[in-house]
Amino acid sequence: KQEVTQIPAALSVPEGENLVLNCSFTDSAIYNLQWFRQDPGKGLTSLLLIQSSQREQTSGRLNASLDKSSGRSTLYIAASQPGDSATYLCAVMTTDSWGKLQFGAGTQVVVTP
Amino acid sequence: DTGVSQDPRHKITKRGQNVTFRCDPISEHNRLYWYRQTLGQGPEFLTYFQNEAQLEKSRLLSDRFSAERPKGSFSTLEIQRTEQGDSAMYLCASSSPLDYDGGTDTQYFGPGTRLTVL
Repeated sequence: KQEVTQIPAALSVPEGENLVLNCSFTDSAIYNLQWFRQDPGKGLTSLLLIQSSQREQTSGRLNASLDKSSGRSTLYIAASQPGDSATYLCAVMTTDSWGKLQFGAGTQVVVTP
Repeated sequence: DTGVSQDPRHKITKRGQNVTFRCDPISEHNRLYWYRQTLGQGPEFLTYFQNEAQLEKSRLLSDRFSAERPKGSFSTLEIQRTEQGDSAMYLCASSSPLDYDGGTDTQYFGPGTRLTVL
């Protein structure tokens, strides 16, 4: 059974620092891994999707890496801004459970001015 | 706006009442998903459709829950005889294997319907 863990549960950094968010999963037979952002009381915004054959994806200040063998993904956000404050969730889709995203509980990020 | 839309955004109901939520996916997406999210947790998968066919249902989807996608476009999620434990955010997402992200089948989420059962 796939389990997705995000540590830490909460993180506070001063503006300008780089953010490093971790996601681990127990079953390496994944189809893809997706990172989302969620603002309080809102839906999810897709940030990056990494296919199982890829090692990383980049979009602007965001970079996500994937190491299937160790069951880890890392989301890097460069030069954080107060507007980056949100909860960040990772989700995996395993090859034997197509269509079903399994989420971690998220990391709540606060960027202080 | 051509994103995923959900209606209503908020629903307050009394225990025992029936509620129905609607999701309109991105128009060219043939796959539609329902998830449930409780406070402080990540979303949990409930069910998904490809066109009008319901292809997978989670064991979380008890007999009181039913989802439909009658014409392969919008979908409804109905909860009968609501219980306080049903209070959650209900999220809908859609995807397409041929989407404009190069066929990655990225799931795009709507704003959710927050259900409160008193």
